[in-house]
Amino acid sequence: DQQVKQNSPSLSVQEGRISILNCDYTNSMFDYFLWYKKYPAEGPTFLISISSIKDKNEDGRFTVFLNKSAKHLSLHIVPSQPGDSAVYFCAASPQGAQKLVFGQGTRLTINP
Amino acid sequence: SAVISQKPSRDICQRGTSLTIQCQVDSQVTMMFWYRQQPGQSLTLIATANQGSEATYESGFVIDKFPISRPNLTFSTLTVSNMSPEDSSIYLCSVAGTETNGPYGYTFGSGTRLTVV
Repeated sequence: DQQVKQNSPSLSVQEGRISILNCDYTNSMFDYFLWYKKYPAEGPTFLISISSIKDKNEDGRFTVFLNKSAKHLSLHIVPSQPGDSAVYFCAASPQGAQKLVFGQGTRLTINP
Repeated sequence: SAVISQKPSRDICQRGTSLTIQCQVDSQVTMMFWYRQQPGQSLTLIATANQGSEATYESGFVIDKFPISRPNLTFSTLTVSNMSPEDSSIYLCSVAGTETNGPYGYTFGSGTRLTVV
């Protein structure tokens, strides 16, 4: 049972444009959502998070949107830069549990 | 945030053997987590390791296959026992979030890429 899903395995965006990565979840008991970025041969690095009581969180070029009614999460990167090329994982934390449930990841490629 | 040193970074092992992965953190942490990422799959939590108590395993993972040690607040090991090709994965250790990242902004080690032949 895949509770967190990233349906796009890959995404290609031109440098300077907006990158939008999407994530869907099925468990309404998730209370925290996060995005991680992963480069080859490195562990995932934390990017941005959002509490389930909010619908938007912004940090510089990165904005995460949460639509609880649709059980949908998205990460917007604007403007996209070549260094943003990586695999992006969506993750969620069940209420009361110290653990993360991850999506399958989306490989983002920023083209010059 | 915490800095995690994980080793080995990669290994190729014969089936039926065991491999122990080490994870060293530069600060004391209460909880350490071990994840697995099978090829093309998401990261899956194997177990949570608390210092001074038995590790807590997720559904589908058992202590006999993945014994974990947690001798102090900065170190943990995960052993992959009696390996088969299906155990070929990236194994990652992680610690809970910090004041900077928030309670769930976990920090991960660089991972151990295991290939079983």
